[in-house]
Amino acid sequence: DAKTTQPPSMDCAEGRAANLPCNHSTISGNEYVYWYRQIHSQGPQYIIHGLKNNETNEMASLIITEDRKSSTLILPHATLRDTAVYYCIVRVVGNDMRFGAGTRLTVKP
Amino acid sequence: GAVVSQHPSWVICKSGTSVKIECRSLDFQATTMFWYRQFPKQSLMLMATSNEGSKATYEQGVEKDKFLINHASLTLSTLTVTSAHPEDSSFYICSARGGQPNTGELFFGEGSRLTVL
Repeated sequence: DAKTTQPPSMDCAEGRAANLPCNHSTISGNEYVYWYRQIHSQGPQYIIHGLKNNETNEMASLIITEDRKSSTLILPHATLRDTAVYYCIVRVVGNDMRFGAGTRLTVKP
Repeated sequence: GAVVSQHPSWVICKSGTSVKIECRSLDFQATTMFWYRQFPKQSLMLMATSNEGSKATYEQGVEKDKFLINHASLTLSTLTVTSAHPEDSSFYICSARGGQPNTGELFFGEGSRLTVL
C-alpha cells in the first residue's frame, strides 16, 4: 500500500473548521483513502473513506484532489472532543491496515 | 457501525506469567482479525493477521511463540502473551474485518493495556 505523509501536529480553535492534509503521491488506482482517529487510550475510530470523489458523512468531509495525490479531512465545527491523533491511510480494500505517525490535532477553547 | 469488544481493558501481571486478551465481534462475523501493539507516544504497529480456522500470519520481528493467536470462531480471536516480561507492557488493540466487505473499513476494539511487573 502507498505511503502517506501528514504534519505531526496542528491546532484549531473550537468552533472553527479543522482541515487536516495528507499527501499520498504514490497512490495507485485501486487504493482508497481512509481516515481514522484515536483519542487518548482508546482504539482507533473510523471517520470516512473515499476513492476519488469527495465524501461527506455526519462526522467529516473528505476532499480528494483530482490527481488523487493528496486529500484533506475537514471537521466542519471542531469541538474539544475532536482532540485526537488523526491517521490517513491508503490501502486496497481487503488488505491489512498500517498506521503512520498521524497528525495530533489539538482543539483549543 | 459494527462493534468490536476487547477484554480485559487493562491487566497487570507478574513477569513470567501468561496473559490472554480476547477480541470479539459483537454484531457481525469477522473472517479476519488483526492484532496491533502500541507503545506510549507511538503509532499502532501491526503484529499479526488472524484468519478464522487457520494459522495467524505474523509480521517480521514478532515472535509467534511468544504471542499466540487463536481465531477459532467467526466472532472470537485471542492473543496470549506467554511468559510476559516488562518490555511486553503495551496497549494491545484488535480490529476485525467482515460484515460490510464492500466498504472495507476495519472496526477496532477499545484496546487492552497490559502492564507487566
